Amino acid sequence: NAGVTQTPKFRVLKTGQSMTLLCAQDMNHEYMYWYRQDPGMGLRLIHYSVGEGTTAKGEVPDGYNVSRLKKQNFLLGLESAAPSQTSVYFCASTWETGGRTGELFFGEGSRLTVL
Amino acid sequence: AQSVAQPEDQVNVAEGNPLTVKCTYSVSGNPYLFWYVQYPNRGLQFLLKYITGDNLVKGSYGFEAEFNKSQTSFHLKKPSALVSDSALYFCAVRDVNRRGRQLTFGSGTQLTVLP
Repeated sequence: NAGVTQTPKFRVLKTGQSMTLLCAQDMNHEYMYWYRQDPGMGLRLIHYSVGEGTTAKGEVPDGYNVSRLKKQNFLLGLESAAPSQTSVYFCASTWETGGRTGELFFGEGSRLTVL
Repeated sequence: AQSVAQPEDQVNVAEGNPLTVKCTYSVSGNPYLFWYVQYPNRGLQFLLKYITGDNLVKGSYGFEAEFNKSQTSFHLKKPSALVSDSALYFCAVRDVNRRGRQLTFGSGTQLTVLP
């Protein structure tokens, strides 16, 4: 039972390069999220999706794009990486309904360094 | 808007002593409240939640939390701390009526249980 899987787990980029982080969940969840974690700032929401084909902006969306072409996958893209995007990125997912209100299931994180 | 404050960056407690990790919140409507724990180099794991009903909620690993509406607090507690409880703890809130079900997290509290 894999749960939420993020790839890659580590990546080093140069300023201006692009990359995509992949999040895959096998729990048939409707809702998926991308957060970034920075020291002393907790987790901040970048983008989220309430279902296949839908995306929405979170608290810190600038410099990122997302896509949800398949229900089980949520991709986070950086078109032109900047040092300020050095962070640990977490994907999470949850149900739409069913009494299991609010619990998020997290992946193990992707550590990105932008030089 | 919804927000969470964790006033203590670090909490140290001796093994066997009771522990408390503090959290206060702000939402425009009724809150759903959560505690998550993060062990080193891992994703966040759900500990417990308050949705409605009894103000004292019990969760995993012997943890509990008390919802206090008048003080807008949701402090995490455990009667007897273990060294293995040492981790980073996050409080999170969601407004009941908020579309997208996204959580807002606090900045985290590092709990260290000393042997």
